Amino acid sequence: GAVVSQHPSRVICKSGTSVKIECRSLDFQATTMFWYRQFPKQSLMLMATSNEGSKATYEQGVEKDKFLINHASLTLSTLTVTSAHPEDSSFYICSARKRLYQETQYFGPGTRLLVL
Amino acid sequence: QQPVQSPQAVILREGEDAVINCSSSKALYSVHWYRQKHGEAPVFLMILLKGGEQKGHDKISASFNEKKQQSSLYLTASQLSYSGTYFCGTEYKGSSNTGKLIFGQGTTLQVKP
Repeated sequence: GAVVSQHPSRVICKSGTSVKIECRSLDFQATTMFWYRQFPKQSLMLMATSNEGSKATYEQGVEKDKFLINHASLTLSTLTVTSAHPEDSSFYICSARKRLYQETQYFGPGTRLLVL
Repeated sequence: QQPVQSPQAVILREGEDAVINCSSSKALYSVHWYRQKHGEAPVFLMILLKGGEQKGHDKISASFNEKKQQSSLYLTASQLSYSGTYFCGTEYKGSSNTGKLIFGQGTTLQVKP
């Protein structure tokens, strides 16, 4: 199997605070991890691609200073939403890929962020 | 560019069939199909890697027409558990081997008893 966990599953925070979300591949080493954002009834929007030991690659329009990504090991990537505002409220989902070629992405259960 | 899925929504009775299409304006390396239920993460259904490839398990199958840059997902004899939103994720040729997927806008499938 390929199991990906995310923590926390839900978080409510005050405007201006920072929130860290962890993504772990539990039974495999992930060459690459991805972070997505999803608004209600909308598609998955790729935010960034994360490789272990290197800087994340952000998609156009995603503020890298706002959404800090750290890929500390082959099984752990973190997304920190800095100085969160209500418009950052969303469903954040990570995914992990075992190897680059001929392989799919396995998604974590997602983190629902509500910024008050 | 996001692939285009059609239809946007479909309502079925149990036992009926459905086809969901995914079309791209760019050459495709692979197509990945997922189903997402409300409030949950997407669940992987299948991956298609070669033009002309067809795959399936249980009563869900898919095809990949590389020349037409499109894929179709076939759901036969639908069950209540098939309800959810189906996404195709596309990996484009020449995308620098990043492995990243660009998802379609989704097709909402509702199966009624």
